Amino acid sequence: GQQLNQSPQSMFIQEGEDVSMNCTSSSIFNTWLWYKQDPGEGPVLLIALYKAGELTSNGRLTAQFGITRKDSFLNISASIPSDVGIYFCAGQGGATNKLIFGTGTLLAVQP
Amino acid sequence: DTEVTQTPKHLVMGMTNKKSLKCEQHMGHRAMYWYKQKAKKPPELMFVYSYEKLSINESVPSRFSPECPNSSLLNLHLHALQPEDSALYLCASSQVNRADYEQYFGPGTRLTVT
Repeated sequence: GQQLNQSPQSMFIQEGEDVSMNCTSSSIFNTWLWYKQDPGEGPVLLIALYKAGELTSNGRLTAQFGITRKDSFLNISASIPSDVGIYFCAGQGGATNKLIFGTGTLLAVQP
Repeated sequence: DTEVTQTPKHLVMGMTNKKSLKCEQHMGHRAMYWYKQKAKKPPELMFVYSYEKLSINESVPSRFSPECPNSSLLNLHLHALQPEDSALYLCASSQVNRADYEQYFGPGTRLTVT
């Protein structure tokens, strides 16, 4: 099925560093969602974005809905070991409530 | 409460077995979803139910049979599966209205087909 381009594919960082990842699409989306998934668990919703240009924070996480409606960004500040996991973006556009998922970013944080 | 529950957590079944996966939510959501996820890949949509009616079937083989008995429950009946069907099966739910597409996922059922 269709997937969004998400980068980077993986990141290996030191505790305390800031992290940035992004998703791009060739199609316009009405909604962008960011999820985190721990091994063997279901994805957990982190942030939802509904308006082009919108900037939303959830603790150390900040996400933006790109002004072109074809991209979104997630930043994590001052990373900690429990930030480890796979981060997925997901976009929704069109008449259905189907989500299109990004390919995922694997984040590893070294204490 | 944003909890979606799934049972069982783990399931091992032979290719001739019949089993069912169960999902439950009490958030008043009227859209429910089944996804299949392989390791390190994003979830792949299988089925969508909207107001207890099947609205999307992503060309899933008939050995997977979904059922939505009521607005809180979603089942996935499995029969004559293949080893390549081994995966994490995720249930999710959301509102149906056009302003809110936030999907909430359950913890998944890890299925192994032997």
